[in-house]
Amino acid sequence: TQLLEQSPQFLSIQEGENLTVYCNSSSVFSSLQWYRQEPGEGPVLLVTVVTGGEVKKLKRLTFQFGDARKDSSLHITAAQPGDTGLYLCAGGHDYKLSFGAGTTVTVRA
Amino acid sequence: DSGVTQTPKHLITATGQRVTLRCSPRSGDLSVYWYQQSLDQGLQFLIQYYNGEERAKGNILERFSAQQFPDLHSELNLSSLELGDSALYFCASSVASGDGYTFGSGTRLTVV
Repeated sequence: TQLLEQSPQFLSIQEGENLTVYCNSSSVFSSLQWYRQEPGEGPVLLVTVVTGGEVKKLKRLTFQFGDARKDSSLHITAAQPGDTGLYLCAGGHDYKLSFGAGTTVTVRA
Repeated sequence: DSGVTQTPKHLITATGQRVTLRCSPRSGDLSVYWYQQSLDQGLQFLIQYYNGEERAKGNILERFSAQQFPDLHSELNLSSLELGDSALYFCASSVASGDGYTFGSGTRLTVV
């Protein structure tokens, strides 16, 4: 059983469309991070959120941390083929980071 | 280049054998983490070292062991290998626990 549940598992959209990926847990986290992983490579950190209700924007990506620090969402506006990848959320507790199973995003040109 | 170096990149070995995976963390990072990634399990935390000391343990089998040396590089030893140990093994580093992780490119282990 995953500590962090991500949905949807797969997402395929057309270039220019918007998408949202969700990350939910019954546990409270001191911080939550989002990573993107491309085939054959390690995950790359996109953002860290630490405060309940926090919203961070990174160009076309918007990250939100839930008020209770148990859930988070990643919204991509006007998706591009370069956004294709596996998006992973990770929650920090007890000196370690636990990862969700990830959402595979495919953006078609 | 993320700054975290993992060697080798690929490893093919037979069941029952022992292998050692090596990781050099990003310069200045004191924490090293090992993760196993397989298709059905996702990224599973194995073990963390901080400045040479074991800090946290996850789902690490007894056949697996790790250490962090004084120069902060780390090694993950996998013994009595089974087919099910085939996976990508990632090393990550951070300045301190709770910071964002920098991952290496991984070692793809295939046990035949």
